[in-house]
Amino acid sequence: DQQVKQNSPSLSVQEGRISILNCDYTNSMFDYFLWYKKYPAEGPTFLISISSIKDKNEDGRFTVFLNKSAKHLSLHIVPSQPGDSAVYFCAATRGSQGNLIFGKGTKLSVKP
Amino acid sequence: NAGVTQTPKFRILKIGQSMTLQCTQDMNHNYMYWYRQDPGMGLKLIYYSVGAGITDKGEVPNGYNVSRSTTEDFPLRLELAAPSQTSVYFCASVRTGYTEAFFGQGTRLTVV
Repeated sequence: DQQVKQNSPSLSVQEGRISILNCDYTNSMFDYFLWYKKYPAEGPTFLISISSIKDKNEDGRFTVFLNKSAKHLSLHIVPSQPGDSAVYFCAATRGSQGNLIFGKGTKLSVKP
Repeated sequence: NAGVTQTPKFRILKIGQSMTLQCTQDMNHNYMYWYRQDPGMGLKLIYYSVGAGITDKGEVPNGYNVSRSTTEDFPLRLELAAPSQTSVYFCASVRTGYTEAFFGQGTRLTVV
């Protein structure tokens, strides 16, 4: 039973437009959520995170929104750039040092 | 800083062979993890360690063993390789008090 779900395997966006990647979770005990970016043949790299006490966290072009009542979070990339093309993983954890539970990932393609 | 270093990057094993995947981190992180990623899937936790001498099972530990004799090293042992262990393996470390994991570049293992 998947606790973290990314229902869109892929997303294609034009350069300069907004990319919205979605993630749903089922475990209400999760209290910290992270997004990782992964290029082919590389390990995942941390992108941005949000604590359950917040509903928004912003870092440059990247913003994560959390809707606890819907158990849903989203990652917004504005404006999208071709270098953003990668697989994005949503992850959740319970407690600051809990083990990360990952979604299956969404492959983002940003076209010039 | 090298961060998290995994060796080898690629390996082909025959069924029944054994091998050790090496993982070293130079950031003095107490927490270390082994994940596997199957095609089209998210990362699943195999084993983790909260410090030297302490290890525990994750979601998919069967067929694997780990040890943590030093803070820096966290090797993963496959004793009797099976085709189901064909996967990409990632090692990660986390600094105490933080949640963001740093990943190695991965080891692509094929069991034939």
